[in-house]
Amino acid sequence: AQKVTQAQTEISVVEKEDVTLDCVYETRDTTYYLFWYKQPPSGELVFLIRRNSFDEQNEISGRYSWNFQKSTSSFNFTITASQVVDSAVYFCALLTSGTYKYIFGTGTRLKVLA
Amino acid sequence: DVKVTQSSRYLVKRTGEKVFLECVQDMDHENMFWYRQDPGLGLRLIYFSYDVKMKEKGDIPEGYSVSREKKERFSLILESASTNQTSMYLCASSPTPTGGYNEQFFGPGTRLTVL
Repeated sequence: AQKVTQAQTEISVVEKEDVTLDCVYETRDTTYYLFWYKQPPSGELVFLIRRNSFDEQNEISGRYSWNFQKSTSSFNFTITASQVVDSAVYFCALLTSGTYKYIFGTGTRLKVLA
Repeated sequence: DVKVTQSSRYLVKRTGEKVFLECVQDMDHENMFWYRQDPGLGLRLIYFSYDVKMKEKGDIPEGYSVSREKKERFSLILESASTNQTSMYLCASSPTPTGGYNEQFFGPGTRLTVL
């Protein structure tokens, strides 16, 4: 079975704090892809990053960084020095090779307080 | 920029009405998807289409049908709306992968209320 778990339903932080959003996935496939999306209050999901199962390198993009660990089946997302504009719902998703069906987690609502 | 548009941001319908939700993408993507988003349940796939006139059921197709007569347009149809179909509906598109799998591009969503 394939599954994505985002155990944190809601997180509140004060501006400038660092925050990590957890994502744990399950799949028996050896080739798969992981994604993070941001859904701001406007409603439209915005793509943030894609990782394939053969590339375990961590990635940094400005204040955002992602930690992919196959050993723990996790693909965690860290925001450094959070800002109010980071307030959104964040979704982690899994796609296995040979299918068009993306499996989404239930999302984590991040509130960054000024 | 890829653009996915949905016909309405907000829609209010009566129980039993036939409802059409339209989605159009302008990037010649082969694949299109309809999801519904409910609190605590994340995004659940209703239907997807990988080509014109081709469709496949997702996880929750009951009570819904779809139509894809043209590549750029994917319609979600509620044959007889019910109150448990009150939800946010999200449309997405993605290109057929070449050498890897691609992210989806989402529309702004339609918040449907069935009274």
